[in-house]
Amino acid sequence: GAVVSQHPSRVICKSGTSVKIECRSLDFQATTMFWYRQFPKQSLMLMATSNEGSKATYEQGVEKDKFLINHASLTLSTLTVTSAHPEDSSFYICSARRPGWDTEAFFGQGTRLTVV
Amino acid sequence: QKEVEQDPGPLSVPEGAIVSLNCTYSNSAFQYFMWYRQYSRKGPELLMYTYSSGNKEDGRFTAQVDKSSKYISLFIRDSQPSDSATYLCAMSAGNQFYFGTGTSLTVIP
Repeated sequence: GAVVSQHPSRVICKSGTSVKIECRSLDFQATTMFWYRQFPKQSLMLMATSNEGSKATYEQGVEKDKFLINHASLTLSTLTVTSAHPEDSSFYICSARRPGWDTEAFFGQGTRLTVV
Repeated sequence: QKEVEQDPGPLSVPEGAIVSLNCTYSNSAFQYFMWYRQYSRKGPELLMYTYSSGNKEDGRFTAQVDKSSKYISLFIRDSQPSDSATYLCAMSAGNQFYFGTGTSLTVIP
């Protein structure tokens, strides 16, 4: 079964509103979670690394004020897309790695965001 | 130059064919090599991983790593329509993963 749960799977929002996406690790404590964005027929693009109890580390070119990440507990990280615009429409995926495992990243189901 | 290069396809094969999916990379520090399968509108799921060079077999799937050539492959034997998906290679060195663009595979019944 799924070890990382992401919610919602689909969301449609109006331009200018904010959307929150949740990522939960179900059977292990994840001190680090990762947020990716995927455009059609393109690979996963790492947006940020979410660290429990501290600030997220954003990749170059990713606006930290637009994509707010909160990792308040060892099993939950949230990504909030603030003041969403149509160009933010994309597939957002989170992942978590079991502590001490270098090889396996568990992915959430992904969230299809459509901004109209 | 991208860290990981993967032909996006699309690749279309008849049922029962052997499928070969490949990635090349440039960073010699990569030690873990993974293949993920992603169905449409779903998150990737790990298929196989290998450490360093060599082969690994799991049922109809075989992963190969050639570190000297910086080249990895995934072979699918007796391909099935249910194998139709996008296959992403991934590599890691330390905490960060690097993904290929994914190859779209369709297995025709």
